[in-house]
Amino acid sequence: DTGVSQDPRHKITKRGQNVTFRCDPISEHNRLYWYRQTLGQGPEFLTYFQNEAQLEKSRLLSDRFSAERPKGSFSTLEIQRTEQGDSAMYLCASSSEHSGNTIYFGEGSWLTVV
Amino acid sequence: GEDVEQSLFLSVREGDSSVINCTYTDSSSTYLYWYKQEPGAGLQLLTYIFSNMDMKQDQRLTVLLNKKDKHLSLRIADTQTGDSAIYFCADPSGNTPLVFGKGTRLSVIA
Repeated sequence: DTGVSQDPRHKITKRGQNVTFRCDPISEHNRLYWYRQTLGQGPEFLTYFQNEAQLEKSRLLSDRFSAERPKGSFSTLEIQRTEQGDSAMYLCASSSEHSGNTIYFGEGSWLTVV
Repeated sequence: GEDVEQSLFLSVREGDSSVINCTYTDSSSTYLYWYKQEPGAGLQLLTYIFSNMDMKQDQRLTVLLNKKDKHLSLRIADTQTGDSAIYFCADPSGNTPLVFGKGTRLSVIA
């Protein structure tokens, strides 16, 4: 079990560019979550998948954000036309409904929009 | 919506006990969680407590749950410098898998 893996760990991009983050959950975890964390705040929920179905989306997930999990394994989070306010750490997490639904987080992907 | 509140800072001397407190508003959760975050890192699951329990002990960690007052606490015995981090209380609520507090920054003084 290698844990939740996220890539890239750090990304610096110019305002207006698109960025994509990838998350590989713990093997056989059928639930996958995306959270965003800004400095000095706790993580804020963005969206989650059960298998390939996106079951819940926060109002924080604007039209510029899209998340996919096409085969029910890895997931991508794309941010289009980035803004400086998108600078944050994007955390991915996974869980299995068969093990008490304890949620395990990855190391996060830091995004800086300049 | 759900609200999870924590005090922002706690400073203790090495070897003392630390107690981090949390209050929450949604009492329907099956589990409540404590996570630890070191600088620049993701969240590490520390421990959790089932909602029908009052207390859970796991080595140096003791979790106390007062459902009537919607109060959760994390006690760290014999606090070490390696325990310096931000500690988050988290509670599932409605359609949100986990709602986090703002975190308590624990500083351990040698």
